Amino acid sequence: AQSVTQLGSHVSVSEGALVLLRCNYSSSVPPYLFWYVQYPNQGLQLLLKYTTGATLVKGINGFEAEFKKSETSFHLTKPSAHMSDAAEYFCAVTGSGGYNKLIFGAGTRLAVHP
Amino acid sequence: GAGVSQSPSNKVTEKGKDVELRCDPISGHTALYWYRQSLGQGLEFLIYFQGNSAPDKSGLPSDRFSAERTGGSVSTLTIQRTQQEDSAVYLCASSLTDGRGNYGYTFGSGTRLTVV
Repeated sequence: AQSVTQLGSHVSVSEGALVLLRCNYSSSVPPYLFWYVQYPNQGLQLLLKYTTGATLVKGINGFEAEFKKSETSFHLTKPSAHMSDAAEYFCAVTGSGGYNKLIFGAGTRLAVHP
Repeated sequence: GAGVSQSPSNKVTEKGKDVELRCDPISGHTALYWYRQSLGQGLEFLIYFQGNSAPDKSGLPSDRFSAERTGGSVSTLTIQRTQQEDSAVYLCASSLTDGRGNYGYTFGSGTRLTVV
């Protein structure tokens, strides 16, 4: 079985500051990990994903995440926040091998202040 | 089509009525999911279809909820005798999945259900 914990339901940063959104997972099989972003009144958009290979994954809009097996973490970062990054971010996990459902964390709402 | 299509985009219904929500997945995607997103909440898993296998219904909150997927393509989520707590955005996603891996999930824009 898989589960996801996102630490911090709300994160607030200043424009230009580092963005760090935390995600820890548990999985009984090697995981596939995802970050999705949801802008107000829109659907979910894939930011990035880790399946196999390189543990540092780069996504759209300057975001990246690092899979750390020893820490069971997949934190999302961006060096410099932009006002347009304000949205809700969801971490999700599924088991590798394909036939596993995608389980989401509760989400983190990111606010960016000028 | 190019993406996952959900209809209707908005639905207002009276308490006690039945509703049907439709999802058209991406052609060729073998897996289809329904999630529910209540106001200020995360995404709650409802049901998962994978090819011709029996669906994983473990997330359905009550026996008022049911879903089917016809011909391995279009799916309908039915809520009977709707209650106000059913008000939420219902999201559908599809993915190309086989025994070796999952090749990415694509979400529809959702159906916003309001029970009055």
